[in-house]
Amino acid sequence: LAKTTQPISMDSYEGQEVNITCSHNNIATNDYITWYQQFPSQGPRFIIQGYKTKVTNEVASLFIPADRKSSTLSLPRVSLSDTAVYYCLGPQGNNRLAFGKGNQVVVIP
Amino acid sequence: EPEVTQTPSHQVTQMGQEVILRCVPISNHLYFYWYRQILGQKVEFLVSFYNNEISEKSEIFDDQFSVERPDGSNFTLKIRSTKLEDSAMYFCASSGLAGGGELFFGEGSRLTVL
Repeated sequence: LAKTTQPISMDSYEGQEVNITCSHNNIATNDYITWYQQFPSQGPRFIIQGYKTKVTNEVASLFIPADRKSSTLSLPRVSLSDTAVYYCLGPQGNNRLAFGKGNQVVVIP
Repeated sequence: EPEVTQTPSHQVTQMGQEVILRCVPISNHLYFYWYRQILGQKVEFLVSFYNNEISEKSEIFDDQFSVERPDGSNFTLKIRSTKLEDSAMYFCASSGLAGGGELFFGEGSRLTVL
């Protein structure tokens, strides 16, 4: 089964770029890599998804190297409202999408 | 914007009681999921459901748990005999695609077992 691993917590000042990396051990050929954001007492919310190289949307960028063994979520110019837990998500079977441990990002004024 | 809705938002029950958590997925979605999050811990996969049957289930999803889509709109999670360790936030999600498609989550149902 594919396994996702993430570091635990990081602090950042407002306006800085935040990069969070996730390892994707044994990722399968057809698997996409997806990132979610979760605020306290709320359900996770989709941020971005990619297969390889770079994907960018209005919220974030996602960098996936050629071997696809890792991915990096990049949040440009974070604000206080970006304080949340960020999860990478990887398939572990036909229809089983498992979250990593999550990375708590705290944005400091 | 379409959304996944869950009821109740909070339920308190006595150990050993049966609990049913309800979810209304987004109407044109075909894949349904339940996840659990114990306070302070990560979101854990419980079960996925497609075409009126379970696709995948985790080790957590033992015989005390069951899921059902009793009509065309609701998706329910039943815990037959609750234990203290079942206290958690339960999230329902739905997707229009299997595997790597975007999951849309509800706001969760908080279950407290006393």
